[in-house]
Amino acid sequence: DGGITQSPKYLFRKEGQNVTLSCEQNLNHDAMYWYRQDPGQGLRLIYYSQIVNDFQKGDIAEGYSVSREKKESFPLTVTSAQKNPTAFYLCASSNLGTGLSYEQYFGPGTRLTVT
Amino acid sequence: GQNIDQPTEMTATEGAIVQINCTYQTSGFNGLFWYQQHAGEAPTFLSYNVLDGLEEKGRFSSFLSRSKGYSYLLLKELQMKDSASYLCAVRGGSGGYNKLIFGAGTRLAVHP
Repeated sequence: DGGITQSPKYLFRKEGQNVTLSCEQNLNHDAMYWYRQDPGQGLRLIYYSQIVNDFQKGDIAEGYSVSREKKESFPLTVTSAQKNPTAFYLCASSNLGTGLSYEQYFGPGTRLTVT
Repeated sequence: GQNIDQPTEMTATEGAIVQINCTYQTSGFNGLFWYQQHAGEAPTFLSYNVLDGLEEKGRFSSFLSRSKGYSYLLLKELQMKDSASYLCAVRGGSGGYNKLIFGAGTRLAVHP
């Protein structure tokens, strides 16, 4: 089945450690995105990528880094510089364009807890 | 600035109809999406409007007025499984970039 996978579903880390969240899609989508969701707030865009080996900062990129070495994969690293890393992280992908078929599809999410 | 407003919470009775409103102010507009999100899960696509008017899909309908910066999601014949958060998102930007700006979501509780 086509879709987006994120692993693990729950992740626990100590403060000061970097952690990498994985995101893989087999939908052949060009664009991929990372969002952060906090209680009572909407999804906020961290980074996005429209093509392999290229990515742009979203609204809250500080303390995060990404890579896009393959079309299918867009891992997110939460660095120790991120002041409030505990959150629910969602990865999404889409075709490029502005038509209906270009809706974003979301992965199941990773809940990161840093103590 | 860019802003999307939705009510924080709503309650409704099983079998009833509920309307969830969304108002937006964004620098660009290339369509408005509604997503459903159950607690701890990924958002799933419900509807898309880019032209003014009503789009109907089964028990769900979505309306858009671009001149008023306003949309609503209408859910009919409510079922317990409709208890979830409903996210309004506006697509902005240009050049093929599919950036979505999300509202905070409306948490709907359906009671027997």
